[in-house]
Amino acid sequence: EADIYQTPRYLVIGTGKKITLECSQTMGHDKMYWYQQDPGMELHLIHYSYGVNSTEKGDLSSESTVSRIRTEHFPLTLESARPSHTSQYLCASSSPGRGILTDTQYFGPGTRLTVL
Amino acid sequence: RKEVEQDPGPFNVPEGATVAFNCTYSNSASQSFFWYRQDCRKEPKLLMSVYSSGNEDGRFTAQLNRASQYISLLIRDSKLSDSATYLCVAPRTDKLIFGTGTRLQVFP
Repeated sequence: EADIYQTPRYLVIGTGKKITLECSQTMGHDKMYWYQQDPGMELHLIHYSYGVNSTEKGDLSSESTVSRIRTEHFPLTLESARPSHTSQYLCASSSPGRGILTDTQYFGPGTRLTVL
Repeated sequence: RKEVEQDPGPFNVPEGATVAFNCTYSNSASQSFFWYRQDCRKEPKLLMSVYSSGNEDGRFTAQLNRASQYISLLIRDSKLSDSATYLCVAPRTDKLIFGTGTRLQVFP
């Protein structure tokens, strides 16, 4: 089992509020990721990081921002939440692959966000 | 064409059945792949990796066909607890590309 944590697990909030979703891992992984997933739909990569002070936008455009000040911590912030942000947000980190093996990603339990 | 394509299912099978899922990928340079399992409203969890010709873990066998660019997952002696969505995953540079998943429902 991977040691990757997300808080809160569930969040219901009103439109216009600023929110920060927390993600932390204790495995010392350099690479971390944020995905967005609607019920029954595919995962969409919205942000990733190669390490401290590195952040990149993913394949799906998102109004959220991320920061990576410490290796173990990769928070995601929405400055002004809207109903269209309602979704599940999954954080992941990856252990380096060996040889031809690709990095393996491990997921946190997710934050289910509802914006009213 | 999507980078990773899967039949969304659902595959409805009785307990004890053998079921197989296929997944095709577009990047011929990819070397290794994964199958993840995702239960309803839960996070994806690594099931197994597959590289070279294949990999077996108990009732689960994953195979790779590079010539045809597809990966398969075979589940033997299906259990009720196998009911989940199975995600096929291929690498792209430093990221993983997840398929939309194949839903499996095992019934008594």
